[in-house]
Amino acid sequence: NAGVTQTPKFQVLKTGQSMTLQCAQDMNHEYMSWYRQDPGMGLRLIHYSVGAGITDQGEVPNGYNVSRSTTEDFPLRLLSAAPSQTSVYFCASSYGNRAAKGYYEQYFGPGTRLTVT
Amino acid sequence: AQSVTQLDSHVSVSEGTPVLLRCNYSSSYSPSLFWYVQHPNKGLQLLLKYTSAATLVKGINGFEAEFKKSETSFHLTKPSAHMSDAAEYFCVVSPTYSSASKIIFGSGTRLSIRP
Repeated sequence: NAGVTQTPKFQVLKTGQSMTLQCAQDMNHEYMSWYRQDPGMGLRLIHYSVGAGITDQGEVPNGYNVSRSTTEDFPLRLLSAAPSQTSVYFCASSYGNRAAKGYYEQYFGPGTRLTVT
Repeated sequence: AQSVTQLDSHVSVSEGTPVLLRCNYSSSYSPSLFWYVQHPNKGLQLLLKYTSAATLVKGINGFEAEFKKSETSFHLTKPSAHMSDAAEYFCVVSPTYSSASKIIFGSGTRLSIRP
């Protein structure tokens, strides 16, 4: 198993540009999520999905869109990049509530380091 | 409401000495608790988890943590530090049988190991 994969590893954008961060998992996990990591703030949830076709907002959703057309893929779109979106982005997956017996042990991708100038 | 507080942003120990990383939590529900480790420029990896079974939980690489409900704590320990333990550690809380959106990460503790 490749686990959770993310592309690209690094990206530099200019303010106003758009882009898509890719995330894929091969573990047949129902639940997938996107986090951003900023110094001293831990990880904050951007969006999450509990299955194909179902997405919802997390703590910091503004400026980001997601979709979940398949179980495997969960791309994150930046609509119009801003310097405040400079961060490291992590995708994670886990079994859903039913299979996981009520708790979420998450598997993380290696991250995408994004700089917006 | 839930919250998690990692009491130290940075801990430095000598190689071969014990490690203690402190985590306190607040939860209105029966919580599940996790410790994750992040090595430089890597993703997060699960160290151990507490899910209402044994209160003393053993994880990978010799780490363990004890769930103390009366103290609302879930401190991470290791008897003897190794240079490879240098990393960032995150304490995570989530309510059992609840929405995944309620997973809360602590702000992290950076562990440094002195030779």
